[in-house]
Amino acid sequence: DAEITQSPRHKITETGRQVTLACHQTWNHNNMFWYRQDLGHGLRLIHYSYGVHDTNKGEVSDGYSVSRSNTEDLPLTLESAASSQTSVYFCASSWSSNTGELFFGEGSRLTVL
Amino acid sequence: AQSVTQLDSHVSVSEGTPVLLRCNYSSSYSPSLFWYVQHPNKGLQLLLKYTSAATLVKGINGFEAEFKKSETSFHLTKPSAHMSDAAEYFCVVSANSGGYQKVTFGIGTKLQVIP
Repeated sequence: DAEITQSPRHKITETGRQVTLACHQTWNHNNMFWYRQDLGHGLRLIHYSYGVHDTNKGEVSDGYSVSRSNTEDLPLTLESAASSQTSVYFCASSWSSNTGELFFGEGSRLTVL
Repeated sequence: AQSVTQLDSHVSVSEGTPVLLRCNYSSSYSPSLFWYVQHPNKGLQLLLKYTSAATLVKGINGFEAEFKKSETSFHLTKPSAHMSDAAEYFCVVSANSGGYQKVTFGIGTKLQVIP
């Protein structure tokens, strides 16, 4: 079955370190997204990509970057982790850029000390 | 502008009684509307979607929602709650805005089911 997987599922790091969260999907979807989930905020869009070599900023992109070198992967990098980036991160994909129907990974819980 | 308001942050029901999770939306365009469910330590899963066809939408696990344009609402219902329905539910609005599909999540409603 097609799926979307995230790794690591749990990560503890220190302020200032670089962290990369991996996302891999086997749906062959062109569109991929990174969200963060925080209490009282729901899900907020960090970055998204509509295809290979395409990346775009979402509403909370400061301190994060992504790159898309193939269809299957969209890694999220925190260049210099901050305590405010402690959160649960979700990767998602969709089959069309004209839909809000998203397929989600199981999340990566990041703690920045 | 586009927004979603989930009117209750927590809802508690007894097993076997009806469930009502309320959602109001605002959109300048013709929106699509979704409900997602998130079980503890899991990703979000699509429960049902409205995309301008029938206004009463049936989803998985006996849930349904009715799109009411005049009230800008998309409330989620289920006739009889089951223990396995305990989860967090997110209402989502999606609309094409200037060639970009804007997706906005509500802050979630946590459903507790009491045995």
